[in-house]
Amino acid sequence: KQEVTQIPAALSVPEGENLVLNCSFTDSAIYNLQWFRQDPGKGLTSLLLIQSSQREQTSGRLNASLDKSSGRSTLYIAASQPGDSATYLCAVSRSQGGKLIFGQGTELSVKP
Amino acid sequence: NAGVMQNPRHLVRRRGQEARLRCSPMKGHSHVYWYRQLPEEGLKFMVYLQKENIIDESGMPKERFSAEFPKEGPSILRIQQVVRGDSAAYFCASSDLINQPQHFGDGTRLSIL
Repeated sequence: KQEVTQIPAALSVPEGENLVLNCSFTDSAIYNLQWFRQDPGKGLTSLLLIQSSQREQTSGRLNASLDKSSGRSTLYIAASQPGDSATYLCAVSRSQGGKLIFGQGTELSVKP
Repeated sequence: NAGVMQNPRHLVRRRGQEARLRCSPMKGHSHVYWYRQLPEEGLKFMVYLQKENIIDESGMPKERFSAEFPKEGPSILRIQQVVRGDSAAYFCASSDLINQPQHFGDGTRLSIL
């Protein structure tokens, strides 16, 4: 059974810092991994999707890496801003079927 | 191109009533997924549908819950005889191909009195 874990559960940093969020999964037989952000009372916004054959994806100040063999992904946020404050979720999908299995999320607070 | 639209945004029901949650996928998307987020818990998969077909309902409770995605119209998640434990945020997502990025709606917050 696939389990997804995110560490830390909460993180508070001053504005301008670079930071790393971690995601680990127990079953390496994934098809892809997706990072989302969720603002309070809102839905999920897709940030990056990494196919299992890829090592990383970049979008602006965000970079996500994937090490399938070790069951790990990291989301790197450069030069953090108060607007980055949100809960960040990672989710994996298996080779067959499209359902996403989510971690519990990391609640990020960026202080001005 | 409008995103995934869910309605209502908030729904209040008394115990024993029925709740109907609607989801219109993004234009051109034929795959719909429903997830539930219980208070203080993560998002859990419930059901995956394509037009007129249920593909995977492994996360949906066997009793009181049902889902459909008709040929015309939105996908419906139906909860009969609601109980307090059904209080949660219900999210719908859609995609255009299996395992392509899923795009989420803003959810329906269901409260049971």
